[in-house]
Amino acid sequence: SQQGEEDPQALSIQEGENATMNCSYKTSINNLQWYRQNSGRGLVHLILIRSNEREKHSGRLRVTLDTSKKSSSLLITASRAADTASYFCATDNNQGGKLIFGQGTELSVKP
Amino acid sequence: DGGITQSPKYLFRKEGQNVTLSCEQNLNHDAMYWYRQDPGQGLRLIYYSQIVNDFQKGDIAEGYSVSREKKESFPLTVTSAQKNPTAFYLCASSPPPSGKWDTQYFGPGTRLTVL
Repeated sequence: SQQGEEDPQALSIQEGENATMNCSYKTSINNLQWYRQNSGRGLVHLILIRSNEREKHSGRLRVTLDTSKKSSSLLITASRAADTASYFCATDNNQGGKLIFGQGTELSVKP
Repeated sequence: DGGITQSPKYLFRKEGQNVTLSCEQNLNHDAMYWYRQDPGQGLRLIYYSQIVNDFQKGDIAEGYSVSREKKESFPLTVTSAQKNPTAFYLCASSPPPSGKWDTQYFGPGTRLTVL
């Protein structure tokens, strides 16, 4: 079963705007990760946030984690057309090495 | 170049045939994984292997088989028992638990179509 649920399923914005995607999960976790997938390609790891962290930054990416609400958000600032892709959250679900992926948010950034 | 490769990129299968998808990595990773992705969907785990000569079923193992005879290779066979095999198949690997616990590195995928 899928643990992570992303919201929204699809998001369309203009270049330069910020994009926010949310992920909710059901059970306790060690960490939560975000991945990106360009159409027809494999996934690329973006960022990992541990359960004892609340916020993490990497370039134009900002991830937050609220373990009390079992939710995370991914913010992409100053978006570019090249950010167009699907974004997935994944949790470890305390099962040592296994990740559970959400359904993904399809982001479209229009130039 | 270090990385994870999958072949072929596209694969066509007739109903009733078994086909094998290749996955190779030269990252010296212990763990390897196979996922299935259907259009507009997330990834579902088929099989995974934490160490050579050992593997476990994932959430949707029925109709699939794997082997892990070498650390760098984890081939997936889609058997005729898999009723709806048309999908995008992704292989991934991950190092032993470390500072990057559970981060997975993905291959480019194989798109399988049943004719």
